[in-house]
Order: sequence, then structure tokens, then C-alpha cells
Amino acid sequence: KQEVTQIPAALSVPEGENLVLNCSFTDSAIYNLQWFRQDPGKGLTSLLLIQSSQREQTSGRLNASLDKSSGRSTLYIAASQPGDSATYLCAVFGSGNTGKLIFGQGTTLQVKP
Amino acid sequence: DAGITQSPRHKVTETGTPVTLRCHQTENHRYMYWYRQDPGHGLRLIHYSYGVKDTDKGEVSDGYSVSRSKTEDFLLTLESATSSQTSVYFCAIMGQGNTIYFGEGSWLTVV
Repeated sequence: KQEVTQIPAALSVPEGENLVLNCSFTDSAIYNLQWFRQDPGKGLTSLLLIQSSQREQTSGRLNASLDKSSGRSTLYIAASQPGDSATYLCAVFGSGNTGKLIFGQGTTLQVKP
Repeated sequence: DAGITQSPRHKVTETGTPVTLRCHQTENHRYMYWYRQDPGHGLRLIHYSYGVKDTDKGEVSDGYSVSRSKTEDFLLTLESATSSQTSVYFCAIMGQGNTIYFGEGSWLTVV
């Protein structure tokens, strides 16, 4: 059974710092991996999708990498800002391309001004 | 914005009553999903649909049923609500490039 783990559960950094969020999964036979952001009381916002054949994806200050063989993905946030404060969730696509997501518990990020 | 609307957004209901949550999408996406989010459990898939009248169970389907009679609507029904079904329910669709997009959520409290 696929399991997704995100460490740390919470992270607090000063504004301007570069940071890395970690996501690991137990079964390397994934189809895609997607990173989301969730603000308190809100829905999930898609940040980046990495196809299984890709190694990384970039969007603005965000860069996500994928290493299937080691069962790991990282989300790199450059020059963090207070507005980046949120919970970040990674999810892997189970069962091929049906889009059924298996989520990690998330990392709650606080960026202090 | 993936054109997903959930209703109702907030609901309080009594134990034993039926409840239906609606997910409406405007872009004719084939795949639709219902998740619930709970502290300590994260997000878990309840049911999903891969076309009109085509649905399948997810990880936590007991106590829930779904229907999809039109491409744009995916309904989640709690036949007899229990306190353990107090949760936040999210609808999602698979959009362009296989990206999953979520709705804003429906907060359900069963008293």
C-alpha cells in the first residue's frame, strides 16, 4: 500500500530564506506527483505537477523535483515571503492515470517578517 | 480557477438524517472526485467518477454513495449521517495535463 510522508510537519523561517520541503513515498511505481498549497479554511491550490518521466518542474520561485528510484520529491521555495505561509501538501497518483491521489499529511510553513 | 462549485458550503445536520453535497463543474472534465479532510488523517478519497454513471469506491467509501447523471454534476450522499462524518468535504476534477483541481470545500457538522 502506497504511503506518503512529509517531514517536517511544521517549519518556521525568517523572510527571505530559501527552503526545502520534503515528500517521500513507499512505492516508486507512481504515475504523477503533485504539490498543493492550502491556506487555513480554504481549498487546495495546485502548485506544480511532475509527470513520472520528468525530473523537475518550475513555476516562479517554486521548483519541485522528483526522484522515483529513491521515492522522494522536494519542493524548493526561493526567497520566502510572509505570503508563502500555508500548509503544503504533496500527493502521488495511485493506480495509473485515474487521478486518485494519495496525500501526505502536509508541512505547515510560517514565514516571519 | 477550474470552474468547480460546491454546495452547500456549510451545513449542520442531525444524526440519522440524509445529506447530499453537490459538486458542479463547467468544463466537461471526465474525472471527478470526492475527498474528506480530517485532522490526523489528512485527505482521503471517498469515491470518484470516470464518466456519466461510472463511479468507483475510494479509500473511505463506507456510509457514502455517489451519483453522476450528468457530466457536470457529481453528488455525494450520506444516507444516514453520523457524527464520524463531521468533516470538510472537497470535490476535485482532473483538468488539463492531468492536473487535479479542488473546489473550495463543504464544511459538514453532524450533531
